[in-house]
Amino acid sequence: DTGVSQDPRHKITKRGQNVTFRCDPISEHNRLYWYRQTLGQGPEFLTYFQNEAQLEKSRLLSNRFSAERPKGSFSTLEIQRTEQGDSAMYLCASSLRLAGGQETQYFGPGTRLLVL
Amino acid sequence: AQKVTQAQTEISVVEKEDVTLDCVYETRDTTYYLFWYKQPPSGELVFLIRRNSFDEQNEISGRYSWNFQKSTSSFNFTITASQVVDSAVYFCALSEAASGYSTLTFGKGTMLLVSP
Repeated sequence: DTGVSQDPRHKITKRGQNVTFRCDPISEHNRLYWYRQTLGQGPEFLTYFQNEAQLEKSRLLSNRFSAERPKGSFSTLEIQRTEQGDSAMYLCASSLRLAGGQETQYFGPGTRLLVL
Repeated sequence: AQKVTQAQTEISVVEKEDVTLDCVYETRDTTYYLFWYKQPPSGELVFLIRRNSFDEQNEISGRYSWNFQKSTSSFNFTITASQVVDSAVYFCALSEAASGYSTLTFGKGTMLLVSP
């Protein structure tokens, strides 16, 4: 049983460049979440998908951030025109929502972004 | 708004000592879920436990135990006979059922250092 995977694990880019991260969830999971974690803080929610539908995106940090989940499988998170403040760990989690609302999110290893 | 407070930023113990990590939460919902995750230096968040708001029974899993008290809005985590491999950052998190999806609100984490 494979867990959540993320690619790349590390990304160094120059300010102003676009970056895209990929997340592959646990295969039977129908929900996928993106979080951002900065140094010394807990993860902060960005957006989530149920199957291919993006049901909450108001917490994306700016309009430079966008996410997709075509066909309800893997997801991508894109940051356009990166800024130094975007440097952080980007975490993906997936879950299977059960009847009664019970749900546990399982996290991937994260993509660590450094913007120079 | 929901909030999770982990007042202990860093705890240092010597191997075989018992250690308790504190977690205090705030929510207006009557139905909610509490979680603990472990984040070792590799960065991946590892799920430890989920507890729903209607289940106040304490839980024990090997050297780990959790004490949930609704009266004090606390969900504390105890490691008995700590080991060097327990060194990590531990996060407490809360999700509310009313929102329809399970955004996790994390505390800032407690870094546990276990020395030999």
